Amino acid sequence: NAGVTQTPKFQVLKTGQSMTLQCAQDMNHNSMYWYRQDPGMGLRLIYYSASEGTTDKGEVPNGYNVSRLNKREFSLRLESAAPSQTSVYFCATTGANALTGNTIYFGEGSWLTVV
Amino acid sequence: SQQGEEDPQALSIQEGENATMNCSYKTSINNLQWYRQNSGRGLVHLILIRSNEREKHSGRLRVTLDTSKKSSSLLITASRAADTASYFCACSNDYKLSFGAGTTVTVRA
Repeated sequence: NAGVTQTPKFQVLKTGQSMTLQCAQDMNHNSMYWYRQDPGMGLRLIYYSASEGTTDKGEVPNGYNVSRLNKREFSLRLESAAPSQTSVYFCATTGANALTGNTIYFGEGSWLTVV
Repeated sequence: SQQGEEDPQALSIQEGENATMNCSYKTSINNLQWYRQNSGRGLVHLILIRSNEREKHSGRLRVTLDTSKKSSSLLITASRAADTASYFCACSNDYKLSFGAGTTVTVRA
């Protein structure tokens, strides 16, 4: 039981390159999230998916796209990377939604540097 | 904008002492959660307190919630070196959790 698995763990991109961060969960949860974490900023929500087939913008969606491929997988794509997107990215999942108070489970993070 | 804001930003204590950190939020919530993050790792859930609860305990952790003041506190009693980490509060009022910037706790041996 791996929980929430993110790949890659580390990535260096050149400005303008594109890449996709992959996230998969084996917890049979409905809701999945992508956050970014920057020093002194806490975690900011980029996109979320309340259930399979739906996605919604979070607090900082500009420059990103997402795909909820199926119940297990939720990917985050940077179409044209910018230095401002240098950050640590976390995928997370919860069984229902935060309204019901279910615990959110996080992946181990993906360190992305854009040069 | 972030819903929860932790205070202080950093805290250094001696092993065995208690550590207290606070969280303030701006709008109504359904529940408030505390998470812990060790350096270079993901966040791990510690405890959840619902809006109709005032206090909750889990091992050496004690969380309070004052909805009239829109604030919560996390107390770690008898701290250990292994408690060194960043602690985040997260507020929930719908599908989304909003996190603060965290309190970095260093426990000195």
